[in-house]
Amino acid sequence: GAVVSQHPSWVICKSGTSVKIECRSLDFQATTMFWYRQFPKQSLMLMATSNEGSKATYEQGVEKDKFLINHASLTLSTLTVTSAHPEDSSFYICSAKQGKSNQPQHFGDGTRLSIL
Amino acid sequence: QQQVKQSPQSLIVQKGGISIINCAYENTAFDYFPWYQQFPGKGPALLIAIRPDVSEKKEGRFTISFNKSAKQFSLHIMDSQPGDSATYFCAVRGSTLGRLYFGRGTQLTVWP
Repeated sequence: GAVVSQHPSWVICKSGTSVKIECRSLDFQATTMFWYRQFPKQSLMLMATSNEGSKATYEQGVEKDKFLINHASLTLSTLTVTSAHPEDSSFYICSAKQGKSNQPQHFGDGTRLSIL
Repeated sequence: QQQVKQSPQSLIVQKGGISIINCAYENTAFDYFPWYQQFPGKGPALLIAIRPDVSEKKEGRFTISFNKSAKQFSLHIMDSQPGDSATYFCAVRGSTLGRLYFGRGTQLTVWP
């Protein structure tokens, strides 16, 4: 149980385009979803936290107009990278948890984003 | 400010040996201490976790040792196997909202 599916797993697009990444909890209701970014050989950096039906809370230094997060249902959150540029190329990972803060986070398999 | 410090950055162990990775934290408000295993191109997977009221937890070949007074916890991998070669991250969880703070990671290589 507790499966989180992320789609697509890999995307390549031209500079200036927008890219949407989906994160779905398949067998549980995700009250809270988290979006991380990971550069090669580095740790996971939290970008934002979203609660279903509420606006996302962004970490310091993360541009909310650049990285649009929508958590419209208890099983789906999306991250849209708007007007993507090569420096946005990274590995984006979502996680989801159910209920209270003491529930574990379940991670998706990540999306490799390459901007040409 | 880094909430959790992890060492070593890389570790090479012979098959059958013991791999030990250490983490240290400062904030006493953390309530959950997980270890994650990540293979290239994949998301992190929860390996084992401990709560602060327990000093040790063992699951198969994996053991967490937790020293609350020293604010340190470590992962021990017994009988290390080549399939254990991966990057390992310790994390600490804040009690509010349940957000995780990750260590910088340890790249483990187990030689056959």
